[in-house]
Amino acid sequence: DAMVIQNPRYQVTQFGKPVTLSCSQTLNHNVMYWYQQKSSQAPKLLFHYYDKDFNNEADTPDNFQSRRPNTSFCFLDIRSPGLGDAAMYLCATSRDPNSNQPQHFGDGTRLSIL
Amino acid sequence: GDSVTQMEGPVTLSEEAFLTINCTYTATGYPSLFWYVQYPGEGLQLLLKATKADDKGSNKGFEATYRKETTSFHLEKGSVQVSDSAVYFCALSPYSSASKIIFGSGTRLSIRP
Repeated sequence: DAMVIQNPRYQVTQFGKPVTLSCSQTLNHNVMYWYQQKSSQAPKLLFHYYDKDFNNEADTPDNFQSRRPNTSFCFLDIRSPGLGDAAMYLCATSRDPNSNQPQHFGDGTRLSIL
Repeated sequence: GDSVTQMEGPVTLSEEAFLTINCTYTATGYPSLFWYVQYPGEGLQLLLKATKADDKGSNKGFEATYRKETTSFHLEKGSVQVSDSAVYFCALSPYSSASKIIFGSGTRLSIRP
């Protein structure tokens, strides 16, 4: 089935050690999003790609970066994770940035910081 | 700015009870409205959507009607099941910034057998 796949499901890293989370999609969607979701909170958009165009949210810390080497893959890089970055990270896609189009989410990667 | 307010949980009901989760929004223009559901340990799944006033979205026995006059999009189900236990997020996509989704804070629903 076409879907959004996030790997790994659980990631543990050390304080300050760079970590990369990955997302792939078989939906051939143009837009890919990264969200941060902390416990019992709503997902918070970090940034999104529309094709190769990168769109950063104004309040996303510089510590968070993203790469989209092709249509299918998108990566979230956290350069120096702090304890406050422990969260669930959700990847989502949509066909285009149209308000009628829902976003399709992966199952997320839960990041723990030691 | 645009925002979504939904009733706080947790909400605990018995199986076969009637469910309402209230959601109101603030937005300029005509946003699209969504309900997403998140089962334990999983990502969000679209439950239903409505894109214009008076539209009714429905799926799996859940319904919500886009009410522009009351800026509401309440989620209802006539008879809940244990398998409906999850967190429900009301959300909007602003007309002016269609690539974004603004989520409410989520309502945790627990159904007792």
